[in-house]
Amino acid sequence: SAVISQKPSRDICQRGTSLTIQCQVDSQVTMMFWYRQQPGQSLTLIATANQGSEATYESGFVIDKFPISRPNLTFSTLTVSNMSPEDSSIYLCSVSLGETQYFGPGTRLLVL
Amino acid sequence: AQSVTQPDIHITVSEGASLELRCNYSYGATPYLFWYVQSPGQGLQLLLKYFSGDTLVQGIKGFEAEFKRSQSSFNLRKPSVHWSDAAEYFCAVAYNSGGSNYKLTFGKGTLLTVNP
Repeated sequence: SAVISQKPSRDICQRGTSLTIQCQVDSQVTMMFWYRQQPGQSLTLIATANQGSEATYESGFVIDKFPISRPNLTFSTLTVSNMSPEDSSIYLCSVSLGETQYFGPGTRLLVL
Repeated sequence: AQSVTQPDIHITVSEGASLELRCNYSYGATPYLFWYVQSPGQGLQLLLKYFSGDTLVQGIKGFEAEFKRSQSSFNLRKPSVHWSDAAEYFCAVAYNSGGSNYKLTFGKGTLLTVNP
């Protein structure tokens, strides 16, 4: 398995601002993922982040809104840009070890 | 396209009672199936997974799940529920997204309430 940490664990932000979420894993992994979990909903994949290449975004998500960095094999960041109240969600990162994904504790974001 | 259905949005059981959470999947190839649990305010924890072999798989916290190909199901069970099992449970199927890369499709989740 993998141990994953995220910062911040939660935040309250004003609309129009941006927040960068960090994800750190305790071992080197090729694939990292970013998910959004809106209130009372299941998880939706935002993008896949592979080290050394541009992130691949799912339908409905764009780089301008959710820029992602993947500078090395243990770290990634997701920025939520120009936030609106609709961006209030839990944002989770995960890593893939073969066919199995392990998740971080999530970042709880409230946008006012 | 792959999909996962969890028919029960919310289930309430009494502590000590048995539990079964239903999951049906749709996937054209051999499925890799997972159950995750999300306790209040927490991330997702992997309970168990099925890739191949014995169709009854054991997981953490006393949970087990049975893969039934004929019914496209992967139901989660526990013989005696504890109050600490109150959480949301997600079933997921992994699908190949190219090469050796896999992505997950999640069901909508089942919220479990445990009465004392």
